[in-house]
Amino acid sequence: DTGVSQDPRHKITKRGQNVTFRCDPISEHNRLYWYRQTLGQGPEFLTYFQNEAQLEKSRLLSDRFSAERPKGSFSTLEIQRTEQGDSAMYLCASSRGGGEETQYFGPGTRLLVL
Amino acid sequence: QQQVKQSPQSLIVQKGGISIINCAYENTAFDYFPWYQQFPGKGPALLIAIRPDVSEKKEGRFTISFNKSAKQFSLHIMDSQPGDSATYFCAAIMEYGNKLVFGAGTILRVKS
Repeated sequence: DTGVSQDPRHKITKRGQNVTFRCDPISEHNRLYWYRQTLGQGPEFLTYFQNEAQLEKSRLLSDRFSAERPKGSFSTLEIQRTEQGDSAMYLCASSRGGGEETQYFGPGTRLLVL
Repeated sequence: QQQVKQSPQSLIVQKGGISIINCAYENTAFDYFPWYQQFPGKGPALLIAIRPDVSEKKEGRFTISFNKSAKQFSLHIMDSQPGDSATYFCAAIMEYGNKLVFGAGTILRVKS
């Protein structure tokens, strides 16, 4: 049984560059979530997918951020024109759905924008 | 109304002692309260969770106590071990909700 996986684990980029992160949820989990965690804080919700449909987006998700889950399996989170304030840990989680709320998190992608 | 307030910010406990972390919430629509453990550089891992119709839940050395009228819940770690040293987050989610609302975290250090 594999858990949630994320790639890459670390990313260093220069301000203004675009970055893309990938998340592979636990197989057969219908729901997939993205969170952002800054140092010393709890994770904050960014967006959520039910299968391939993106059903909710946080106000934290500016228009430079876009997320997709094209076939209802893996998901990508892209940040365009990165800013230093985007430096954070980006966490992906998945859950079975259907009333089962337990969310299982991946190891995260740590982004550093120079 | 979406906040979950967690205390203390940090905690030092002797090996074998009891670690207690407290959380409070305002939104009575919250229906599920998980606790997560996070080690440096890792994602949060589910530790134990409770629903408001239960006042206490125990799994091994970990116990959640829940006070629905006070809108408070706490994590007790019995016989704390150095390997328990980590950051602990309480969280809450509404019934049929989609997003976890996390507390700010408690850094626990267990001294051997």
